[in-house]
Amino acid sequence: SAVISQKPSRDICQRGTSLTIQCQVDSQVTMMFWYRQQPGQSLTLIATANQGSEATYESGFVIDKFPISRPNLTFSTLTVSNMSPEDSSIYLCSGGTPTDYGYTFGSGTRLTVV
Amino acid sequence: DAKTTQPPSMDCAEGRAANLPCNHSTISGNEYVYWYRQIHSQGPQYIIHGLKNNETNEMASLIITEDRKSSTLILPHATLRDTAVYYCIVRVRGGTSYGKLTFGQGTILTVHP
Repeated sequence: SAVISQKPSRDICQRGTSLTIQCQVDSQVTMMFWYRQQPGQSLTLIATANQGSEATYESGFVIDKFPISRPNLTFSTLTVSNMSPEDSSIYLCSGGTPTDYGYTFGSGTRLTVV
Repeated sequence: DAKTTQPPSMDCAEGRAANLPCNHSTISGNEYVYWYRQIHSQGPQYIIHGLKNNETNEMASLIITEDRKSSTLILPHATLRDTAVYYCIVRVRGGTSYGKLTFGQGTILTVHP
């Protein structure tokens, strides 16, 4: 299975600022996804990162707030823009191909907005 | 993708088998059952998946009922390190759904000494 390196692992940010989270995969993967996990909750899919085209966002998530880039098949970034304390969560990326036995997840970015 | 229902929590004694149930009564014929787990402060980890036959790997066994409306994940000899949230997910493998995973609330499994 692919191995995903995600960084930063944690950050404390001021409200109104933006943070960019990076995920690097050690092999080419067809699909990459970004999730949010609020404290004590399950994972919620933010968007599917499409290589060479705009990301596909889930209901309730918009590009202006969570711009995503995917310049190639091994790398993606998620930016959390104009942050507020409500954005304090763990953000995770995931990658694989739809026919893989299972997707691999990064270790997550724990974001605290103050 | 079909919705799944799992008990919110379960306990198991160390060394005993842990049997985690999942209901997926609206599963479609081309949807697979996947199990992942999330150990505290880590990203989810793939465990096993199946379509209609029972499956076994080095981590667990997956038993799917004949009508495919429910399944059970079996950890044959639970250890303290198996304490985690276990997620049962159904999805099309490949296809036009882009293969995305939709997580429910999962089952918190606590393994006791």
